Amino acid sequence: GAGVSQTPSNKVTEKGKYVELRCDPISGHTALYWYRQSLGQGPEFLIYFQGTGAADDSGLPNDRFFAVRPEGSVSTLKIQRTERGDSAVYLCASSLRVAGYYNEQFFGPGTRLTVL
Amino acid sequence: AQSVTQLGSHVSVSEGALVLLRCNYSSSVPPYLFWYVQYPNQGLQLLLKYTSAATLVKGINGFEAEFKKSETSFHLTKPSAHMSDAAEYFCAVTAGGEKLTFGTGTRLTIIP
Repeated sequence: GAGVSQTPSNKVTEKGKYVELRCDPISGHTALYWYRQSLGQGPEFLIYFQGTGAADDSGLPNDRFFAVRPEGSVSTLKIQRTERGDSAVYLCASSLRVAGYYNEQFFGPGTRLTVL
Repeated sequence: AQSVTQLGSHVSVSEGALVLLRCNYSSSVPPYLFWYVQYPNQGLQLLLKYTSAATLVKGINGFEAEFKKSETSFHLTKPSAHMSDAAEYFCAVTAGGEKLTFGTGTRLTIIP
């Protein structure tokens, strides 16, 4: 079956613009995660959805960042008033959340965001 | 809170030699530990995971890792390096199976 897909693969924008990044999780996966990977760093957690609701958004750096998952499947990460420091690869992962078990996260290829 | 330290941002080994990538963790609760590999322009792929069962964990592509609680370590090894092993490797930790906390990564170069 298809893995996690992310669109676009690359996004170049200008400082101050608004961007949306899309994630299509593996079909049937109830949990969805967003991470951000800056150059030379490991991925950093941003937000986790269980179904339609954000169960943990403690990693969102500020109120310019927002994410939604209205139907419990596709998710969109939204960044307002982009800054050069937002340039990074944004990774999405999904898992089949089963209580009491570790649920492997499957990662997409990422969206490379460049803010000029 | 959890954290991971990967010693050595770059490691070079000769083809056929032992690969050893170091990872030390900090966790206030029994952790789950992982090694991921990232090839250029690709997503993260799970190599292996420790989830409180056997302390010696075998993964894909001949890699294995040993959980040592006394040393708070989870080092990744492979007996004989292959050219295709060249990639970036990330160690990660989680407490409850939700968000992963990653190390800064180790870039592995294989010398022919």
